[in-house]
Amino acid sequence: GAGVSQSPSNKVTEKGKDVELRCDPISGHTALYWYRQSLGQGLEFLIYFQGNSAPDKSGLPSDRFSAERTGGSVSTLTIQRTQQEDSAVYLCASSQAFGSSYEQYFGPGTRLTVT
Amino acid sequence: GDSVTQMEGPVTLSEEAFLTINCTYTATGYPSLFWYVQYPGEGLQLLLKATKADDKGSNKGFEATYRKETTSFHLEKGSVQVSDSAVYFCALTQEGAQKLVFGQGTRLTINP
Repeated sequence: GAGVSQSPSNKVTEKGKDVELRCDPISGHTALYWYRQSLGQGLEFLIYFQGNSAPDKSGLPSDRFSAERTGGSVSTLTIQRTQQEDSAVYLCASSQAFGSSYEQYFGPGTRLTVT
Repeated sequence: GDSVTQMEGPVTLSEEAFLTINCTYTATGYPSLFWYVQYPGEGLQLLLKATKADDKGSNKGFEATYRKETTSFHLEKGSVQVSDSAVYFCALTQEGAQKLVFGQGTRLTINP
């Protein structure tokens, strides 16, 4: 079946512009996660959504970052007033439910370059 | 806070060599431990996991044992292949939490 998909695959933007990154999780998966993979920081958690519960935003690095999940499916990560340090690969993952026994399936990522 | 430390890379081996990638963790309680792999041009995928002390995870000839006394989860394979060339990430999740905490990754290259 279809895996996690993300768009765009690559995004180049100018410093100060806003960007939106999209994630389509595996159908039926109730949990959705965003991570960031950068040279300086490695792989780091940003935010996760589980069903209708309030999202865990504890990993968002600043208030320029926000995310929403509409209808319990598609998610959008928005970065406002982008900075060069936001350049990274943004990964989305989904899992069947809450709990460490449920595997997180990762998408191919969106490579963001801020010039 | 919780953290994961992996051996520094890159690691280069010849085909059929024995592989060990060290991983140690710092965490309270009883985390679940994972190895993820990222093949060239592909997304992260789960390789194996262990959810309690002394559990052994295994997949594709790779093994790792959850050692609480040494807070370690070292990845091993008896005979590597060129197709094992990838970046390997050790990770943990805490009880009741969902976020994965990753190590810095180890790039492995296997030469024929």
